[in-house]
Amino acid sequence: EPEVTQTPSHQVTQMGQEVILRCVPISNHLYFYWYRQILGQKVEFLVSFYNNEISEKSEIFDDQFSVERPDGSNFTLKIRSTKLEDSAMYFCASRPLSSYNEQFFGPGTRLTVL
Amino acid sequence: AQRVTQPEKLLSVFKGAPVELKCNYSYSGSPELFWYVQYSRQRLQLLLRHISRESIKGFTADLNKGETSFHLKKPFAQEEDSAMYYCALGDSGGYQKVTFGTGTKLQVIP
Repeated sequence: EPEVTQTPSHQVTQMGQEVILRCVPISNHLYFYWYRQILGQKVEFLVSFYNNEISEKSEIFDDQFSVERPDGSNFTLKIRSTKLEDSAMYFCASRPLSSYNEQFFGPGTRLTVL
Repeated sequence: AQRVTQPEKLLSVFKGAPVELKCNYSYSGSPELFWYVQYSRQRLQLLLRHISRESIKGFTADLNKGETSFHLKKPFAQEEDSAMYYCALGDSGGYQKVTFGTGTKLQVIP
């Protein structure tokens, strides 16, 4: 059964550095999402992406964040200048056109900002 | 604004006992409710959704619009049910982001 994959599983970076988190959605899916979960807190929506553009974003998704689908398979989340409070688990999800809102989640990338 | 509330962080039950994980929601439109489960060291996965009215692994959940609730129930807990359970509300408009509750850890005691 196809699955969403994410790399790396754990990323450690210094404050102020740029990070790129990578996701490979399920191949026939058309909607893509990023969520994050700060330790001990709930899963929060960051951004949705459809037809090669951002369709919706949350207040968390400020100018430091960007998303891209550079090659038709990868879906990336970039944080330009990481802050300590960006430390979290980041989940990618994807959904096909026909599914009634079921999103399929990746295993997550744990980002630690020192 | 849409909101999902799961009042219990941890629920411990003995094997064979009934389980009820509580979930209340706030949403101005017609809600789409889900339960996601996360087993230890595994990804979030959909357990069930209200629209399909199905029973998965013995779990059921009924949407009660009057009480704005979507509690998850199972008559007899099994050890393998131990996991984090997240109630979630799908945005029926737009591009359907999901709003999650804070989650309830279910611990089934052998």
